[in-house]
Amino acid sequence: IAGITQAPTSQILAAGRRMTLRCTQDMRHNAMYWYRQDLGLGLRLIHYSNTAGTTGKGEVPDGYSVSRANTDDFPLTLASAVPSQTSVYFCASSDNPEGTEAFFGQGTRLTVV
Amino acid sequence: GQNIDQPTEMTATEGAIVQINCTYQTSGFNGLFWYQQHAGEAPTFLSYNVLDGLEEKGRFSSFLSRSKGYSYLLLKELQMKDSASYLCAGTDSNYQLIWGAGTKLIIKP
Repeated sequence: IAGITQAPTSQILAAGRRMTLRCTQDMRHNAMYWYRQDLGLGLRLIHYSNTAGTTGKGEVPDGYSVSRANTDDFPLTLASAVPSQTSVYFCASSDNPEGTEAFFGQGTRLTVV
Repeated sequence: GQNIDQPTEMTATEGAIVQINCTYQTSGFNGLFWYQQHAGEAPTFLSYNVLDGLEEKGRFSSFLSRSKGYSYLLLKELQMKDSASYLCAGTDSNYQLIWGAGTKLIIKP
């Protein structure tokens, strides 16, 4: 693994189903983030974690949950998917939360039908 | 409120120069980022400005004026591979990034 990896790359999901998007980084970065990107809108922060063991809510947290059990992994869970959660999801990490470059995963394209 | 504004789309000619503007309003301000995003790919870091002035990095330069809440990204000697979206993001008082919707840059031969 080099950098930050997301899985799956794409997924079609039935509404009401539970889904976990995986994110792993091998850069030992303290901070990790989940964003969604929708056409015509900027990246919107869903949840973040400034260090292992802590998480925080971003701009659009409803319907999503995260955990940060260790430095490397930051999974995002949709408890009961709805069509409005159709989006491209990006995981990112940075060395620290205070104004350093963020590195992005390749994205997960999720379609909820 | 917090807001980042940038043009939706710009067109330029190969070999030319283009300036992409960004204005921001954030609660507290701790710097401004520019990222490049090719279609279907992840954003990649271009520049980070904290202090006023111009930062040059090869063909790309980024400018910041904190007093005016304004930044621009200057791309010189445009190449076809520069066709991409350019994302402006300001950091608020908690160092969270507030993102603009991105400027799609189309390069014509």
